[in-house]
Amino acid sequence: SQKIEQNSEALNIQEGKTATLTCNYTNYSPAYLQWYRQDPGRGPVFLLLIRENEKEKRKERLKVTFDTTLKQSLFHITASQPADSATYLCAPGNYGQNFVFGPGTRLSVLP
Amino acid sequence: GAVVSQHPSWVICKSGTSVKIECRSLDFQATTMFWYRQFPKQSLMLMATSNEGSKATYEQGVEKDKFLINHASLTLSTLTVTSAHPEDSSFYICSARDLAGSGNEQYFGPGTRLTVT
Repeated sequence: SQKIEQNSEALNIQEGKTATLTCNYTNYSPAYLQWYRQDPGRGPVFLLLIRENEKEKRKERLKVTFDTTLKQSLFHITASQPADSATYLCAPGNYGQNFVFGPGTRLSVLP
Repeated sequence: GAVVSQHPSWVICKSGTSVKIECRSLDFQATTMFWYRQFPKQSLMLMATSNEGSKATYEQGVEKDKFLINHASLTLSTLTVTSAHPEDSSFYICSARDLAGSGNEQYFGPGTRLTVT
């Protein structure tokens, strides 16, 4: 069965550094991969979607890569700020099918 | 744009009673809405897919007679937890797919915290 893993349950980094979160999947060939942010007690907020034919996508301080050979997506936040502290969820999916969320990585950016 | 609301945001009920949670897409139409459940420190688990005008599709292991879903219009889906028990206490989140959208994005509601005593 398909499996989605995110590098660590929790990640602490210093303010101003680049945070890198990893999403790996097995037994799965997604056509796209999404990243969401979830704050405690809130629903997820969509951040970025990258398609299988795209190597990289950027949005302001966010950058996502998608390597279908490695079955991996990397999510980078540059110049991180304490306000970036949240849980980040990856969600690989295929069109016409429901996508599945990874377990999430809880990021803490320390001032 | 693309706002999804949920009501109530939190609810406490007694064991054995039923609770209804509403999910509305405020500024777009959604033929498909999704209901998720999230336990503390865990990820979202899809419970069911709600299709406007037809029966919901439930994920394996989700009791359809316990979690009643109604999608009566293009902007409203409801989840009713019937005969609630303490183990049903969880964070319930809905999402909606924009009918006019080009991608597979889902817009999530703020969630409803259910506590069954």
